[in-house]
Amino acid sequence: KNEVEQSPQNLTAQEGEFITINCSYSVGISALHWLQQHPGGGIVSLFMLSSGKKKHGRLIATINIQEKHSSLHITASHPRDSAVYICAVRSGAGSYQLTFGKGTKLSVIP
Amino acid sequence: EAGVAQSPRYKIIEKRQSVAFWCNPISGHATLYWYQQILGQGPKLLIQFQNNGVVDDSQLPKDRFSAERLKGVDSTLKIQPAKLEDSAVYLCASAPGTWGYEQYFGPGTRLTVT
Repeated sequence: KNEVEQSPQNLTAQEGEFITINCSYSVGISALHWLQQHPGGGIVSLFMLSSGKKKHGRLIATINIQEKHSSLHITASHPRDSAVYICAVRSGAGSYQLTFGKGTKLSVIP
Repeated sequence: EAGVAQSPRYKIIEKRQSVAFWCNPISGHATLYWYQQILGQGPKLLIQFQNNGVVDDSQLPKDRFSAERLKGVDSTLKIQPAKLEDSAVYLCASAPGTWGYEQYFGPGTRLTVT
């Protein structure tokens, strides 16, 4: 079973700051997802990646397969970025299940 | 493209009562998931459907939880009878297929059992 650890659990930042959220997993994976969950419960998929780096607007996701580690970066953070960010992994090429981390709660203060 | 729809958004019931949640996936998506997310934790898979068949229900508490997807489109998840520990957000997600596809999540149903 894959164990997914996120850090930090909670993060408070000033508007404009550069933010990094980390995710580590214990077993080799076929894909890693970064998800955003706003108050009220709905989840939005931000990235799905299996190697390298992806960028979308102010969001950047990187993954290091050898080190079993991924990071989500937010540049020029804004209060509307306040949400819970969840890392989820799919273990192995034949697996369909996602294993989720507990999430990182981000609060961006104006 | 319309997203995954869920209803109700919020539900408060007393323990031992019954409750049902509804999910309508993105049109054409064959795979549908139900997750339970307890406060402070990541989502936990309850059941996965491929069209109208169950792929995985190993973590579904079958003594009180049931789910169906009769026509391979929308789905219902039922809890009967509810317990206090069932208080959680119930998330529905859909995907075009099973292997390696991105999942699209609905807004969730927040259940409070008193």
